[in-house]
Formats: sequence, C-alpha cells, structure tokens
Amino acid sequence: ETGVTQTPRHLVMGMTNKKSLKCEQHLGHNAMYWYKQSAKKPLELMFVYSLEERVENNSVPSRFSPECPNSSHLFLHLHTLQPEDSALYLCASSQDLGGTNTGELFFGEGSRLTVL
Amino acid sequence: GQQVMQIPQYQHVQEGEDFTTYCNSSTTLSNIQWYKQRPGGHPVFLIQLVKSGEVKKQKRLTFQFGEAKKNSSLHITATQTTDVGTYFCAGPLPGNTPLVFGKGTRLSVIA
Repeated sequence: ETGVTQTPRHLVMGMTNKKSLKCEQHLGHNAMYWYKQSAKKPLELMFVYSLEERVENNSVPSRFSPECPNSSHLFLHLHTLQPEDSALYLCASSQDLGGTNTGELFFGEGSRLTVL
Repeated sequence: GQQVMQIPQYQHVQEGEDFTTYCNSSTTLSNIQWYKQRPGGHPVFLIQLVKSGEVKKQKRLTFQFGEAKKNSSLHITATQTTDVGTYFCAGPLPGNTPLVFGKGTRLSVIA
C-alpha cells in the first residue's frame, strides 16, 4: 500500500470509446503526475499538477485529457485512442515539485490499458 | 534539453555475482534518486543522495553520488533472485520542475 490508489487496474477499450483513469492519493502531497510506461519509453512523463494547477504537458496528444479537481484526485480522460497507446499508465505523487523539495515519488500500481 | 542517461540497459548475472548500474547527467543535479520496479510492479523509491561524493548503503546495495554531482551509481553485492527488476535513477531539472528519469537498467539474476 503506497498511499496512491489507481483504478481501474486493467482496461480494454476500442478506439472509439471514452474512458477515464482515476488516481487518488492519501498522503497530503501537493504534486501529482501521470506517467506512461511502455517497452519503448520506460517512464515517460505526461502531465504534472502542482497545487491543482497543470505545470507540465509533455507534448501529449489531445486524446489524453487530464483533470485535477482537488489536491487528492487526478484523472486521465481517454478518447479516440490508438493501439499504440496501449501501455501501463502510472500515477504518482510527491510532497512538492522540483529540486530537493520534491521528495520521493510515490507511485500507484498502475492501470494497464489495452486499445483494440 | 537535460537528459539523465543510464547504462547498461540490460544486465544478466549469475546469482552471487555483483551488479552495477550507472547514471549520468548533462548538468549538475541538486540530488539524485533511485527507484526499483519489480516485474509486474510499480517503481518504488530506494534512496535519495544530495551531497557531493555521498555514499549510502542499504544492506547489499551501495549508492554513490559523484563529486561533480553529475553522475551516480548503484552497486549490488552478491546478487540474489530477489534483486530482479528494473532500477531507475532520477534527477530534477534546475528550478521548480519534475524529476527526469533515466531509461532504467533491467537486471536478471540466474539462479
């Protein structure tokens, strides 16, 4: 139990579906992250939120849409995905963002996404 | 942009042999962190190094931070099958920015 909970753990969706991944942290952290992990790019940062504001969007296609309604919750909305988007999506949180203040990242167990 | 390079990408060792993975940054890092991801699992924080030349030990694991704070290493003595997994280093870019992860070293241990 890392204090970061992701649901669902597994998701299979067609290219025309709309689905969402959910992440919840119980650690009182100020920063939350979405990472994509695949064989080609082991830990690819997608989005970062600090104090509920998006601070980084690493050229992620618009078919991925993040949402951070409060400091404990983070969503990744998925729409019209491609088969190459199949990967493990990891959520993480840290006390703060940047430098030595970041502290360790606590990762959730991930959501394994398969796009057919 | 700044990158954190990690080598080797893969390492296969016989149980009992030592293992080392290396991490190099193009710029000086304020700190470096190491994570381990078991097969089928998620990355788990191992340690953070902050000081130039710092060395920390966790049982059979020895972590070093270079004098120039641009490189780091993780050394495992006498590997065991429980050491199997991917080891990632990560360091922050200057300023208020997220950690940059290396591509990881996948360790296989043959019993």
